[in-house]
Amino acid sequence: AQTVTQSQPEMSVQEAETVTLSCTYDTSESDYYLFWYKQPPSRQMILVIRQEAYKQQNATENRFSVNFQKAAKSFSLKISDSQLGDAAMYFCAYRRGGDYKLSFGAGTTVTVRA
Amino acid sequence: DAGVIQSPRHEVTEMGQEVTLRCKPISGHDYLFWYRQTMMRGLELLIYFNNNVPIDDSGMPEDRFSAKMPNASFSTLKIQPSEPRDSAVYFCASRLAGEFSYNEQFFGPGTRLTVL
Repeated sequence: AQTVTQSQPEMSVQEAETVTLSCTYDTSESDYYLFWYKQPPSRQMILVIRQEAYKQQNATENRFSVNFQKAAKSFSLKISDSQLGDAAMYFCAYRRGGDYKLSFGAGTTVTVRA
Repeated sequence: DAGVIQSPRHEVTEMGQEVTLRCKPISGHDYLFWYRQTMMRGLELLIYFNNNVPIDDSGMPEDRFSAKMPNASFSTLKIQPSEPRDSAVYFCASRLAGEFSYNEQFFGPGTRLTVL
């Protein structure tokens, strides 16, 4: 079974600063997808960013970007210019290509200081 | 589209009672997933359906849990009898087949279940 590890239970960032969340995963597959989901206090799970394993270019979505290191099986999320609305729990997730099941990490709680 | 709809949003029940959680997926989506979120175990996939047919129920914890999808617009997750350790947030998600980015899973708002 694939495992997704998030080693940082909590992170704190000053408003307008940058924070990086870590994620590592274990797989023997070559075709897979990685994700970051955001869960604010409302509980709603929101897809932030998606990375295809076959793409070398790191995905970006506005202030959110990833550093995908395939050989190291590392997938970190960088939040730039942090805003108060970024405060949430962030989950790293994995799924194999052609298989739609998601495996989630334990999550990292991000606090944004005004 | 209204997104994935779950009901109720909150449920409080007593141990031994039957609990039924409901989900309406996004119209046209052909995959439906049930997840459970707890502090101890995080987010776990319980079961998922494709075109109303259960594909993988290996995550269902016990025979007390059952899920059905009688049609493309509705699914239920039932716990009978419920136990305090079933207290969790239960999410439903749906998606389209295919690997386009916009096909990925959309989650409902979750049902917070408390079993006393």
